[in-house]
Amino acid sequence: GAGVSQSPSNKVTEKGKDVELRCDPISGHTALYWYRQSLGQGLEFLIYFQGNSAPDKSGLPSDRFSAERTGGSVSTLTIQRTQQEDSAVYLCASSLALWDTEAFFGQGTRLTVV
Amino acid sequence: AQKVTQAQTEISVVEKEDVTLDCVYETRDTTYYLFWYKQPPSGELVFLIRRNSFDEQNEISGRYSWNFQKSTSSFNFTITASQVVDSAVYFCALRLNSGYALNFGKGTSLLVTP
Repeated sequence: GAGVSQSPSNKVTEKGKDVELRCDPISGHTALYWYRQSLGQGLEFLIYFQGNSAPDKSGLPSDRFSAERTGGSVSTLTIQRTQQEDSAVYLCASSLALWDTEAFFGQGTRLTVV
Repeated sequence: AQKVTQAQTEISVVEKEDVTLDCVYETRDTTYYLFWYKQPPSGELVFLIRRNSFDEQNEISGRYSWNFQKSTSSFNFTITASQVVDSAVYFCALRLNSGYALNFGKGTSLLVTP
């Protein structure tokens, strides 16, 4: 696609439910990144993918968070048993390759846990 | 560890004024990249500029200019003759050559009033 696409744009969920956030990167971009933006913590890096592989998961806030990427394209960030502190905007970005430092961001998914 | 500090939380100017957004960074690495991103109300992070640590040349792009000084670990951003459309949150970020994550500052919210 023309840009990085994220869905849904807004998600309200009840505490304890699981949610899936989707990111569709720019076509041909092999590197994909997830960030979280919250009032208290600012912009935090969560995880990156090179192709379908995520070599370093240490940025994920807890074991309730997981991410996968299939076909070198779409990525899904899953949060299990959501908590109120998970409320944030989740931003996805992609770049041509990991060595390419110019990353293009999507508009984000605003997650609200009530 | 690396850190990016944007000491100005909010700035308000009147249209046509010049405004400088400050960014100070910390890293022990000698090879790194510095970035500025703009986040308008729509939420998408828009890439403005990237500099690598070996290139201290200042850059001008239209009304935007950037001043990179390694001696003071600063990468400041000036908007000349500000316009209402410049109203946004501006983020400075650092990426190490040895890593893939962008380390963001807390952002500066710029409001330009007519």
